[in-house]
Amino acid sequence: RKEVEQDPGPFNVPEGATVAFNCTYSNSASQSFFWYRQDCRKEPKLLMSVYSSGNEDGRFTAQLNRASQYISLLIRDSKLSDSATYLCVVGMDSNYQLIWGAGTKLIIKP
Amino acid sequence: NAGVTQTPKFQVLKTGQSMTLQCAQDMNHNSMYWYRQDPGMGLRLIYYSASEGTTDKGEVPNGYNVSRLNKREFSLRLESAAPSQTSVYFCASSEGGGPPLHFGNGTRLTVT
Repeated sequence: RKEVEQDPGPFNVPEGATVAFNCTYSNSASQSFFWYRQDCRKEPKLLMSVYSSGNEDGRFTAQLNRASQYISLLIRDSKLSDSATYLCVVGMDSNYQLIWGAGTKLIIKP
Repeated sequence: NAGVTQTPKFQVLKTGQSMTLQCAQDMNHNSMYWYRQDPGMGLRLIYYSASEGTTDKGEVPNGYNVSRLNKREFSLRLESAAPSQTSVYFCASSEGGGPPLHFGNGTRLTVT
């Protein structure tokens, strides 16, 4: 079993819709959680950290479910520019050695 | 500010050749990282440097060496390239113990 698993997609979603995807992690001792986005053939960019109580940044909401060992990302009112691959990243006792998921590809269609 | 500058952008090597990937950041960050990204897989950490003068192995260090030349620069060396090292390489930096915040544009390396 992979340490961090994501549905590779692609998720094809019409512009303006709400989309959500999950990421599961195997190590219950994981302490830190992040979402990055990566555009095609570009470098990853930190989208948001994920906090225990859940957090929101504009149209993006991240949630953590420790009991079931998954994190989620919800995007409301999706824009064409949201098309990207979303990477789930999990850390243990430091942020130096993070475990990266392979990503979920999102395509927003007009 | 340039952020993280990584060179070269592309490189083709023959098996057994050596090369050094250069990375420099101008944000005065303490921490720097080298990752590789292969199709269908998450980024994997090769080496990191928590601060100037220190380097540590990541998940996949075999076949690589690094040098933290100063606070700005962190280079990755392949002494004897192998086809299994064909990948996209990213350098990154962060402040303190935070997650990698700034990435270079990547180096696409092909080893034939």
